[in-house]
Amino acid sequence: SQTIHQWPATLVQPVGSPLSLECTVEGTSNPNLYWYRQAAGRGLQLLFYSVGIGQISSEVPQNLSASRPQDRQFILSSKKLLLSDSGFYLCAWSDSSYNSPLHFGNGTRLTVT
Amino acid sequence: AQKVTQAQTEISVVEKEDVTLDCVYETRDTTYYLFWYKQPPSGELVFLIRRNSFDEQNEISGRYSWNFQKSTSSFNFTITASQVVDSAVYFCALSEEYSGYSTLTFGKGTMLLVSP
Repeated sequence: SQTIHQWPATLVQPVGSPLSLECTVEGTSNPNLYWYRQAAGRGLQLLFYSVGIGQISSEVPQNLSASRPQDRQFILSSKKLLLSDSGFYLCAWSDSSYNSPLHFGNGTRLTVT
Repeated sequence: AQKVTQAQTEISVVEKEDVTLDCVYETRDTTYYLFWYKQPPSGELVFLIRRNSFDEQNEISGRYSWNFQKSTSSFNFTITASQVVDSAVYFCALSEEYSGYSTLTFGKGTMLLVSP
């Protein structure tokens, strides 16, 4: 069966520091991968998605970036965090068929101080 | 543009009560998909159901049931005989069929509190 791992679970970082969140998927190949952010108020916002290695699409312009160095690895990064980057970050995968369900990781709670 | 509205921000019920979570969507497409997800206090989103726009048949899974009505653009979720473990935030989401990946538009969620 497929599993998705996301770490760390919680992170407290000062403003201006770098960020690296990692997500890996097991049990499937060539998944579509996604990064979502859930800010206070519960809304879920799609940040990035990837349909293949090295293929990243950004939904929202910001100081975050994403990379997919391997088929089942998805990384969310920032060179300099802002206070507004605080939130709950969720990685997800889906298979490559149309409108397949997203399966989410456990999330990373990021607090920028 | 697509939009999902969950008008109920928070619902509180007592265990064993039935509860219905409302979801209203907007889309210009004739082909689309609707989803429900559950987010327990631990944080991860758990996929519950997917329904495509051509299948208006209601679905029942244990204590969960879903009522899809295209005429009113609604996809409501009912929990029968609620339990404390049902306490969570529930999200309705919409995906339009136009690309090879799933782009979900989520509603803002409904927090369900089930007390013993």
